[in-house]
Amino acid sequence: DTEVTQTPKHLVMGMTNKKSLKCEQHMGHRAMYWYKQKAKKPPELMFVYSYEKLSINESVPSRFSPECPNSSLLNLHLHALQPEDSALYLCASSQGGRKGGYTFGSGTRLTVV
Amino acid sequence: SQQGEEDPQALSIQEGENATMNCSYKTSINNLQWYRQNSGRGLVHLILIRSNEREKHSGRLRVTLDTSKKSSSLLITASRAADTASYFCATAGGETSGSRLTFGEGTQLTVNP
Repeated sequence: DTEVTQTPKHLVMGMTNKKSLKCEQHMGHRAMYWYKQKAKKPPELMFVYSYEKLSINESVPSRFSPECPNSSLLNLHLHALQPEDSALYLCASSQGGRKGGYTFGSGTRLTVV
Repeated sequence: SQQGEEDPQALSIQEGENATMNCSYKTSINNLQWYRQNSGRGLVHLILIRSNEREKHSGRLRVTLDTSKKSSSLLITASRAADTASYFCATAGGETSGSRLTFGEGTQLTVNP
């Protein structure tokens, strides 16, 4: 299995809703990432988990809450989002070391209404 | 904040021609990676070049790195319509698991049949 699987692929939520994005990989990668990408812009790093511990938080608002239940799973809990949070949310994983390339999921297209 | 700039922002060529994209970055790096993204989809890792390497090849791809100028280029030879996508360079400050990967602004490549 050489994939990162993200669910759901599309999500529409109201500003008072609570929802979660899910990400799964079975490549044995020990680092997992959340990126946010707006249209026609590069991905922007949000969070990094290394060995199931949060190692980087790029000053992301608390309405985004990451969770890493185990080495294969990564969640992003969403609460009280704003319309400007609408974007493509990408999950990635990496092995580190000399094989440094990241494997990205197909993303969740989030629309906040 | 993003690492640097890519040049050009958009490139349109005919099938069979070569495409060259350039990337500049600002800080010292451990490695530089190139990714492809089809519209609205996840990113696909193309190639990684380390800071002590000057050139690398993979199929129709050729990447160069000039650390003195903090720049890299991606050459796609004999382009195909299927190469139409956005191309991003990304820099990593380390090689360990969980290193921050920072993306450039990207080049939109269109290959016309």
